[in-house]
Amino acid sequence: SQKIEQNSEALNIQEGKTATLTCNYTNYSPAYLQWYRQDPGRGPVFLLLIRENEKEKRKERLKVTFDTTLKQSLFHITASQPADSATYLCGPEDKLIFGAGTRLAVHP
Amino acid sequence: ETGVTQTPRHLVMGMTNKKSLKCEQHLGHNAMYWYKQSAKKPLELMFVYNFKEQTENNSVPSRFSPECPNSSHLFLHLHTLQPEDSALYLCASSREGPEASSYEQYFGPGTRLTVT
Repeated sequence: SQKIEQNSEALNIQEGKTATLTCNYTNYSPAYLQWYRQDPGRGPVFLLLIRENEKEKRKERLKVTFDTTLKQSLFHITASQPADSATYLCGPEDKLIFGAGTRLAVHP
Repeated sequence: ETGVTQTPRHLVMGMTNKKSLKCEQHLGHNAMYWYKQSAKKPLELMFVYNFKEQTENNSVPSRFSPECPNSSHLFLHLHTLQPEDSALYLCASSREGPEASSYEQYFGPGTRLTVT
């Protein structure tokens, strides 16, 4: 069956470091992947979209890569701040499935 | 905010009650979605409406009944729910179709539902 998998373990990093989150997909060939941020008790907020023919996309301190060979997308936050602490979700264009999300905690 | 509103934000209901969740979007989108989010589980798609027509029903029990009277409004009618239906219910909208320049979803804040 089609799957979108993200690290279920929380990611703890020090302020100023780069956070890297992983999204792997199985039995799937998404035309694009989207990344969202979700804070506790709130709905997800769209961050970035990357198409299969784009290797990399950037927005301020955020960078997303898409490797169709590895069937993986990486989401990077550079110069991380405590305010970046949240759960980050990835999902394909059909919106039918999402990853469970990875919780990021940035410590001062 | 995102332009998608949901009411109520919190709801406690008994198993014999009937209630409705409301979602409204002011973004001119043509597609609207209901998702269920339980603790530590992925978002589960429940229903999709495109131009008011239901295009997806993800094997949702009949105790959940969606209604989409127009492209801006979406309802989820609830009756005889079970305690395991307690979750955060999220509404989202997007612009779909060949004329769309992007396909990201805009989510509402959600309704936290507790079934007692």
